[in-house]
Amino acid sequence: GAVVSQHPSRVICKSGTSVKIECRSLDFQATTMFWYRQFPKQSLMLMATSNEGSKATYEQGVEKDKFLINHASLTLSTLTVTSAHPEDSSFYICSVPQGQSSYEQYFGPGTRLTVT
Amino acid sequence: AQSVTQPDIHITVSEGASLELRCNYSYGATPYLFWYVQSPGQGLQLLLKYFSGDTLVQGIKGFEAEFKRSQSSFNLRKPSVHWSDAAEYFCAVGGGFQKLVFGTGTRLLVSP
Repeated sequence: GAVVSQHPSRVICKSGTSVKIECRSLDFQATTMFWYRQFPKQSLMLMATSNEGSKATYEQGVEKDKFLINHASLTLSTLTVTSAHPEDSSFYICSVPQGQSSYEQYFGPGTRLTVT
Repeated sequence: AQSVTQPDIHITVSEGASLELRCNYSYGATPYLFWYVQSPGQGLQLLLKYFSGDTLVQGIKGFEAEFKRSQSSFNLRKPSVHWSDAAEYFCAVGGGFQKLVFGTGTRLLVSP
């Protein structure tokens, strides 16, 4: 069964609105989760590392005020795209490391965001 | 900095034929290497991984990959491709602090 879930699977929103995407670790607790963005027919680009109980770590070039990450519990991280624009339309995927220092990650099914 | 190159954007293989997808990496230390598969609109599924030991690793769905340090390569192979193997394949390297650096992907098309 699925180890990581994401909700919603797809969402359409209007420009200027905010949208929240949830990532849940179903089988185990996760102090760290990762958020990726994937443009059509392109690779996954790491956006940020979500850290339970502390601030997220953003990759270079990712606007932390636009992509708000909250890791409020050991099983839930949320990504909020604020003041969305059409160029934010993308496939957002989260992942959870298998263990404390493991590179092996479980990936969520992804969320397709379309901003009109 | 770590990087991964997948030189083939897409590959077409006849069903039943063998497959090899290329992956070259750049990493200073001993790399952790992965191959993932992604079906359209889906998340990623791990096919196989290399951390250490035997350089030929077996994965799910009949896939295998060989780590060649001298060539900085980790090519994915399958002896006989099935139509259900059509998907996007990503090679990735562990980039520190549990982060993964992905290649640009290779789209596999399977012809009848």
